[in-house]
Amino acid sequence: GQNIDQPTEMTATEGAIVQINCTYQTSGFNGLFWYQQHAGEAPTFLSYNVLDGLEEKGRFSSFLSRSKGYSYLLLKELQMKDSASYLCAVMDSNYQLIWGAGTKLIIKP
Amino acid sequence: IAGITQAPTSQILAAGRRMTLRCTQDMRHNAMYWYRQDLGLGLRLIHYSNTAGTTGKGEVPDGYSVSRANTDDFPLTLASAVPSQTSVYFCASSEGQGATDTQYFGPGTRLTVL
Repeated sequence: GQNIDQPTEMTATEGAIVQINCTYQTSGFNGLFWYQQHAGEAPTFLSYNVLDGLEEKGRFSSFLSRSKGYSYLLLKELQMKDSASYLCAVMDSNYQLIWGAGTKLIIKP
Repeated sequence: IAGITQAPTSQILAAGRRMTLRCTQDMRHNAMYWYRQDLGLGLRLIHYSNTAGTTGKGEVPDGYSVSRANTDDFPLTLASAVPSQTSVYFCASSEGQGATDTQYFGPGTRLTVL
């Protein structure tokens, strides 16, 4: 079956760095997406990786290793507004997104 | 405005009733999707449409139907609601259905079936 695993919840301190991991087993791979979802709101797109390596976009970076079925989202200089759930999703061989349950990130002052 | 709208924002429904959730996008995207989001689970695809006039089944299609008469609208119908359909429903759209086509989400409909 298809499976996306990510930690349920993480806590970090304002100004610090946090890494949210995602491992996947899917039928085919056409890229990995990270979305941010604030409580009660819609998911919003953060990043897309299809090749191995690190993609940097401001305070957020996303890494992919296809051979290991592994990705992480790195958030630097954490701000209180970064408190949200972070969703990992893999596009499978049918071009459908398979979603993880999300990681709730709690930022403490 | 540019984006996706959904209606209603929330709804409480008696079991056995019929309900249509509405979704409209003004980005002229070809592909549209309906997901449900339940606590502790990832978003699960209910139905999708790659272009106007076509629809397909996702991971959890039972009890739901969709239509795509035009590019902008993609309504989701629950023919006879059951309590297990209590969930938050998100509509999404993307320019195409390819690997690099980012999905954009509407604000969601919170549905409670009693």
